[in-house]
Amino acid sequence: DTAVSQTPKYLVTQMGNDKSIKCEQNLGHDTMYWYKQDSKKFLKIMFSYNNKELIINETVPNRFSPKSPDKAHLNLHINSLELGDSAVYFCASSPDRAGLAGLSGANVLTFGAGSRLTVL
Amino acid sequence: AQSVTQLGSHVSVSEGALVLLRCNYSSSVPPYLFWYVQYPNQGLQLLLKYTSAATLVKGINGFEAEFKKSETSFHLTKPSAHMSDAAEYFCAVSDFNTGGFKTIFGAGTRLFVKA
Repeated sequence: DTAVSQTPKYLVTQMGNDKSIKCEQNLGHDTMYWYKQDSKKFLKIMFSYNNKELIINETVPNRFSPKSPDKAHLNLHINSLELGDSAVYFCASSPDRAGLAGLSGANVLTFGAGSRLTVL
Repeated sequence: AQSVTQLGSHVSVSEGALVLLRCNYSSSVPPYLFWYVQYPNQGLQLLLKYTSAATLVKGINGFEAEFKKSETSFHLTKPSAHMSDAAEYFCAVSDFNTGGFKTIFGAGTRLFVKA
């Protein structure tokens, strides 16, 4: 099936540990994103990559390091996990080419099912 | 920067009743606006989007939204609620910065449907 798939779906870990979440899309999209959804369902963009290039980096602690080996994959590595990192992390993709005007802003996001991270 | 405000974190309707979820936007340029739905333990999926082609936008599952520039609103409606509509609904707007477009989401409105 064509989709955005992310693993693992659930992740429970101790404070101070390092963990990674992987994301893959087979939609042929150029741009991929990481969003964080907190316990109140608020969604905030963290990063955006276009063709392996980082184009959006919101104010995110440098403990979070995204990596895009190719345009179909965007992984998120988190060092020294803290309690406040507990959230659902969503990967998404869109067909737009960053930086171009026109209908890029009308591009629809396709989301993965989310990865629920619990830090104890 | 663009932003959206969703009025009401929770809305409860009876099955068969009208659904109205409110969204107001703030934008210095003609906006691209979206409604997404999130079912429990799932990612978001698009309901509909406004791109200035028509002010009344029809989406999936019988939902529609009307863009009203004078009111800076983009409210979501459905004439008759179904139990399966119970979910979290997010209004969103595209915002452009030097890196490109990013989608900004409202805080969400949880829709409850009573039998």
